[in-house]
Amino acid sequence: EAGVTQFPSHSVIEKGQTVTLRCDPISGHDNLYWYRRVMGKEIKFLLHFVKESKQDESGMPNNRFLAERTGGTYSTLKVQPAELEDSGVYFCASSLQPNTEAFFGQGTRLTVV
Amino acid sequence: GESVGLHLPTLSVQEGDNSIINCAYSNSASDYFIWYKQESGKGPQFIIDIRSNMDKRQGQRVTVLLNKTVKHLSLQIAATQPGDSAVYFCAEHTYNQGGKLIFGQGTELSVKP
Repeated sequence: EAGVTQFPSHSVIEKGQTVTLRCDPISGHDNLYWYRRVMGKEIKFLLHFVKESKQDESGMPNNRFLAERTGGTYSTLKVQPAELEDSGVYFCASSLQPNTEAFFGQGTRLTVV
Repeated sequence: GESVGLHLPTLSVQEGDNSIINCAYSNSASDYFIWYKQESGKGPQFIIDIRSNMDKRQGQRVTVLLNKTVKHLSLQIAATQPGDSAVYFCAEHTYNQGGKLIFGQGTELSVKP
């Protein structure tokens, strides 16, 4: 069974540009989470989907970030316009139930120059 | 506020020795704790977990200890191997938070052959 996959694995963009990250959760996992790790700091929660609905988006840093999960399958995280401080590794995780083990993707390393 | 932190950002051990990675948390309402291992270029990988009604849990070569009195969590790795070299994160979870994980800063474990 395929695990959580993220695309691209690495993205380098200029400040002011737009980038869209994609996450494909494990098939059948209704719960999808986005996290990010900035500059070697702790991994921080961004938001949580249950199917196509945003359950908790308390960690989204500002309105330059837009997450979607149309159809309740894969999810996208768009950053527009990107700023230097958005650089970091963005992780996606999925789980069958909210309080069961979450499986992480390999992450997308975003570099804004 | 809620926070999970680590006492040491880096740890270097000799192959074959035991490793101990520590973590402090401040949210007494947290009821589930997880240790993750993150290797370079990969996402966090589940190692072991422990529920708040337990003090100790053992896995294969790993043991997690939970001291709720002082809000302290530790990961013990027996007979550390070069393949154990990675960044280790502790994370806490509360059942009414929908599966959201709060991570510590991470400890980089380096195993010398």
